[in-house]
Amino acid sequence: DAGVIQSPRHEVTEMGQEVTLRCKPISGHDYLFWYRQTMMRGLELLIYFNNNVPIDDSGMPEDRFSAKMPNASFSTLKIQPSEPRDSAVYFCASSFRRVGAYEQYFGPGTRLTVT
Amino acid sequence: TQLLEQSPQFLSIQEGENLTVYCNSSSVFSSLQWYRQEPGEGPVLLVTVVTGGEVKKLKRLTFQFGDARKDSSLHITAAQPGDTGLYLCAGWRGAGGTSYGKLTFGQGTILTVHP
Repeated sequence: DAGVIQSPRHEVTEMGQEVTLRCKPISGHDYLFWYRQTMMRGLELLIYFNNNVPIDDSGMPEDRFSAKMPNASFSTLKIQPSEPRDSAVYFCASSFRRVGAYEQYFGPGTRLTVT
Repeated sequence: TQLLEQSPQFLSIQEGENLTVYCNSSSVFSSLQWYRQEPGEGPVLLVTVVTGGEVKKLKRLTFQFGDARKDSSLHITAAQPGDTGLYLCAGWRGAGGTSYGKLTFGQGTILTVHP
């Protein structure tokens, strides 16, 4: 299996521009998660989907952030407009639910720099 | 306020030494996981502990879940340079029945093992 695939791996953009991060989960997984990692705040859950439906978006920082999952094999996280404080590594993870165990498989991340 | 407090934040040791990383909380978790993250990659699950007092061993790594399910520890025996990385604990709350629950990460411990 190829694992969780994220693109791009690196993104540098100017403040005010729109940024779209992409994720392809592991085939057969029915949960998809978006996380943000910074030195100051560590790894934070932004939003997660179950069967393509958003379940909990309480971690989304503000209205500038939006996430979609149009089908089981693709999800996007969009920031519009971007700000320097959005600079972080964004991870996508996928999972399938089993009784007593919830293994999340993380992608390699997208390092976002907003100047 | 950090729900999961990890200590120490940084650990620099020589090859062959033993070490322990702690993960503490005032909250009860249904299960707790430990992840290891290398630079430029996403976290990778090492172990899940579910029962209070549970001890799991993975080669030179020993994981323990506190009796009250509020804390955990990771002990590495005879550390090797290949153990270098960021170690994250993560606690599950609210999981059960039809609820997936929520995974909260600690800030992490950066371990460096010198040859």
